[in-house]
Amino acid sequence: QEKVQQSPESLIVPEGAMSSLNCTFSNSASQSIWWYQQHPGKGPEALISIFSNGNKKEGRLTVYLNRASLHVSLHIRDSQPSDSAVYLCAALLSGSFNKLTFGAGTRLAVCP
Amino acid sequence: NAGVIQTPRHKVTGKGQEATLWCEPISGHSAVFWYRQTIVQGLEFLTYFRNQAPIDDSGMPKERFSAQMPNQSHSTLKIQSTQPQDSAVYLCASSHGGNTEVFFGKGTRLTVV
Repeated sequence: QEKVQQSPESLIVPEGAMSSLNCTFSNSASQSIWWYQQHPGKGPEALISIFSNGNKKEGRLTVYLNRASLHVSLHIRDSQPSDSAVYLCAALLSGSFNKLTFGAGTRLAVCP
Repeated sequence: NAGVIQTPRHKVTGKGQEATLWCEPISGHSAVFWYRQTIVQGLEFLTYFRNQAPIDDSGMPKERFSAQMPNQSHSTLKIQSTQPQDSAVYLCASSHGGNTEVFFGKGTRLTVV
């Protein structure tokens, strides 16, 4: 069983700022952590995933994973109004064949 | 690639009626998932299929919910005797399985009145 918690519940940042989102998971056997973005009326879309301790960069996104503290963070550099959405953290438990456990989400608003 | 297709996008049913939700996964994907999303509970896992076989239905309310995958091109989620607490967005997703990206449809918003 896996539990995923996200913070903060909501975040408001000005355009051009860094947005930082946090996620903790309960099972150190989680194989990977995925971040999804969800716009109103749409299904979640995968943004970035990480499997190994450390960090991973893709464009304006950087994700950090610390398995010892069961913590992962997502940072969005130069945030844009189009980044406004709900961000969902999801853990994939080893042996669960792609079954994701999601956190409650962080609602991000980027103000022009 | 049209992605995961869900129909209908919106469905309104009266309390006690049956609701059937349809999903067409991405062609070639071996895993198909159903999730339910509400404001209170967030995104909850319901059930999944691997190569059309039911693998894990641990999230399904046992008495009134059932899911089937009669062929590789579609899956259905059936809710019998719908109740107001069944009101939610039901999301279907598919993937190649393993540690690969899971692709979601746009969901079906079910409202039970």
